[in-house]
Amino acid sequence: AQKVTQAQTEISVVEKEDVTLDCVYETRDTTYYLFWYKQPPSGELVFLIRRNSFDEQNEISGRYSWNFQKSTSSFNFTITASQVVDSAVYFCALSEGSSNTGKLIFGQGTTLQVKP
Amino acid sequence: DADVTQTPRNRITKTGKRIMLECSQTKGHDRMYWYRQDPGLGLRLIYYSFDVKDINKGEISDGYSVSRQAQAKFSLSLESAIPNQTALYFCATSAPEPYNEQFFGPGTRLTVL
Repeated sequence: AQKVTQAQTEISVVEKEDVTLDCVYETRDTTYYLFWYKQPPSGELVFLIRRNSFDEQNEISGRYSWNFQKSTSSFNFTITASQVVDSAVYFCALSEGSSNTGKLIFGQGTTLQVKP
Repeated sequence: DADVTQTPRNRITKTGKRIMLECSQTKGHDRMYWYRQDPGLGLRLIYYSFDVKDINKGEISDGYSVSRQAQAKFSLSLESAIPNQTALYFCATSAPEPYNEQFFGPGTRLTVL
């Protein structure tokens, strides 16, 4: 069965610290897609990144980086030099290629608090 | 203007009342989804639709129904609201193919007393 686990419920850091948000997934599909979304205090969901199962290249976008490891079924998200504006709930999600529905299976979310 | 809109943004209602949440999108997407968010549970899929005639149940469809009035409109109804349906509800759209990201509306906060 498909599942996404974000074991860290809440993380609190001080501004400028680096922080890694963990995401572990389960799927029997060989083709799947992983996503990260950000939910700031205002409540909307903002798409951050998509990764295909056949592309294990890590990605960096400014202070954000993502580490995808199929061997450990993980898709971790690192924020470098965190800022107060990074405070939000972050969701990891999985979409399976075989179902072709596009429906997302979300993790429970990790609440990140960045203190000044 | 926002690509995906939801009305109302907030609603308080009583047990047993019928409630409709509406979603409209201007992205031209065929695929639309309804999710609910509960603390500690992430988002869970209620219903999804690929076009006006193609509607499918998600993992938690009991107690809900939907209507796809047009490509751009997808409504969620609670026929007889109950307190455990208190949640934050999101509508989303996406282009075809499962690798496309979903675009979410701003959410509707529903409280059932």
